Amino acid sequence: AQTVTQSQPEMSVQEAETVTLSCTYDTSESDYYLFWYKQPPSRQMILVIRQEAYKQQNATENRFSVNFQKAAKSFSLKISDSQLGDAAMYFCAYRSGGSQGNLIFGKGTKLSVKP
Amino acid sequence: GAVVSQHPSRVICKSGTSVKIECRSLDFQATTMFWYRQFPKQSLMLMATSNEGSKATYEQGVEKDKFLINHASLTLSTLTVTSAHPEDSSFYICSALRNEKLFFGSGTQLSVL
Repeated sequence: AQTVTQSQPEMSVQEAETVTLSCTYDTSESDYYLFWYKQPPSRQMILVIRQEAYKQQNATENRFSVNFQKAAKSFSLKISDSQLGDAAMYFCAYRSGGSQGNLIFGKGTKLSVKP
Repeated sequence: GAVVSQHPSRVICKSGTSVKIECRSLDFQATTMFWYRQFPKQSLMLMATSNEGSKATYEQGVEKDKFLINHASLTLSTLTVTSAHPEDSSFYICSALRNEKLFFGSGTQLSVL
């Protein structure tokens, strides 16, 4: 079975600084997708970034980028120029390529942004 | 972007009653929707996969008779918590797949007294 591990329960970053959230996963599959979701206090799940396993190039979305290390099964999220609105729970998630779409989530990392 | 609407956002009910939660895809058709449960300060756990026109697929440990799922149309899936008890109190979130991306509803906080 696939598992997703986020080893940092909480992280803190100074506004305008850069922070990296860690995520590792375990799978024997070759076709899969990885995601980072943000859950602010409103509890609405918001897709931050998505990575296809077959793509070597790291995904980037504005201030958010990932470091996808397939051999190491690592998928970290880097947030540059952190803003107060970035404060939230961040969940790393895995989806099998052949699945209907259900995600397997890590336990989450609570990110605080200090002004 | 795609929008998934979930209603109600919050519900309080007495023990023994049933509660229905609706999940709608507003601007796309969703043949498959997912229901997750989230306990305080914990991650999302998949409860079941809702398939339009067929029976839902439940994850191991989820009681089918307690958590009734109906996906009668391409835009609506409902989760009914039957004979709710305090231990069913939780945050329930639905999601729908569109173009390989999963979009989430805003969630329902269920409190059973």
